[in-house]
Amino acid sequence: NAGVTQTPKFRILKIGQSMTLQCAQDMNHNYMYWYRQDPGMGLKLIYYSVGAGITDKGEVPNGYNVSRSTTEDFPLRLELAAPSQTSVYFCASSYSPPFDRVKNSPLHFGNGTRLTVT
Amino acid sequence: AQSVAQPEDQVNVAEGNPLTVKCTYSVSGNPYLFWYVQYPNRGLQFLLKYITGDNLVKGSYGFEAEFNKSQTSFHLKKPSALVSDSALYFCATAGNMLTFGGGTRLMVKP
Repeated sequence: NAGVTQTPKFRILKIGQSMTLQCAQDMNHNYMYWYRQDPGMGLKLIYYSVGAGITDKGEVPNGYNVSRSTTEDFPLRLELAAPSQTSVYFCASSYSPPFDRVKNSPLHFGNGTRLTVT
Repeated sequence: AQSVAQPEDQVNVAEGNPLTVKCTYSVSGNPYLFWYVQYPNRGLQFLLKYITGDNLVKGSYGFEAEFNKSQTSFHLKKPSALVSDSALYFCATAGNMLTFGGGTRLMVKP
């Protein structure tokens, strides 16, 4: 049982380049999320999805795009990389939404992608 | 807006001593609070949650958390620290989505 798988683990981009961070989960979770982690700042939500075909912006969506064509996959696209996007990116999934106190399923995280933009 | 704060960037404790990692919250309505742990080069792992009821919540790896409504706190505790507990700990609250604190690095020295 792989859980949440992120690729690549590391990537260095030049300013203005584009790339896609891949995320796949095999737990049949409807809810998926992209976070970025910066030192001392905790995790900030970039985008999330409540099911195939449905995505919405989180706290820091500028400079990113997402798609959700299947339940399993939730790729994150950077179109014009900027140094401010240097960060560690985490994908996560859950069976139910975080605010659901009845089902209260925790988030399952991937191991992250460390991205440097120079 | 829902938020949590972790006032300490780092906590140092000797192995075998009790540990406390602090978290305060600011939420409207009844709080729904979590602790997650992150080991090096890994994603976050769920430790425990508070929904309602008992103020002392027990979680994984011998950790527990104490909910205090009057002090708006949700501190993480363990009676006897292990070197392997050294990691980054995050407090979080659930509004529409999870909102995380800035994290506290726990260093347990032998």
